[in-house]
Amino acid sequence: AQSVTQLGSHVSVSEGALVLLRCNYSSSVPPYLFWYVQYPNQGLQLLLKYTTGATLVKGINGFEAEFKKSETSFHLTKPSAHMSDAAEYFCAVATGFQKLVFGTGTRLLVSP
Amino acid sequence: DTGVSQNPRHKITKRGQNVTFRCDPISEHNRLYWYRQTLGQGPEFLTYFQNEAQLEKSRLLSDRFSAERPKGSFSTLEIQRTEQGDSAMYLCASSPGQGAWDEQFFGPGTRLTVL
Repeated sequence: AQSVTQLGSHVSVSEGALVLLRCNYSSSVPPYLFWYVQYPNQGLQLLLKYTTGATLVKGINGFEAEFKKSETSFHLTKPSAHMSDAAEYFCAVATGFQKLVFGTGTRLLVSP
Repeated sequence: DTGVSQNPRHKITKRGQNVTFRCDPISEHNRLYWYRQTLGQGPEFLTYFQNEAQLEKSRLLSDRFSAERPKGSFSTLEIQRTEQGDSAMYLCASSPGQGAWDEQFFGPGTRLTVL
């Protein structure tokens, strides 16, 4: 079965600092991988996705992620955190039949 | 594009009561999904429709749960004889239905509290 593991339920950074949110996946087939963001009282919004092709994927709001097959990782980064980035972030893998399997999430806290 | 809408946004009910949630997908989206999210967890897949056909159901969807999409447009999720363990956020998503995988757009969710 496919799954993802997000290390760290909470990550705290200062405004302007590098953001690194970790995600490792388990999949017996080439995975489709995603990062979603969830703001309070809102639905999930797709930040970026990896399906095939280039392993460095750029998303919205300055985020990017790199698919590393050898490390089974898909970590999310942003060079400089902004206060508005404070939210919960979910890594997910797509299985057959269209369903997404999500990690447990990482809450990003940004301090001034 | 008005996005995926869900109603109600919040529902408080007593144990043993039945509840029904509605999801209106983005217009012309063929695929519709239901997920459940409990506190501190990521969303968990419940079921998926391609037009009006329900193509997959998670084992999380016990006999007390039923979902329909009668005309391939809006969908309803009903929980019968609610239990306190059903308290969660119920998320609906839709996608255009093109290709092997396409982006799922999520609604704001319905938060269910069972007392």
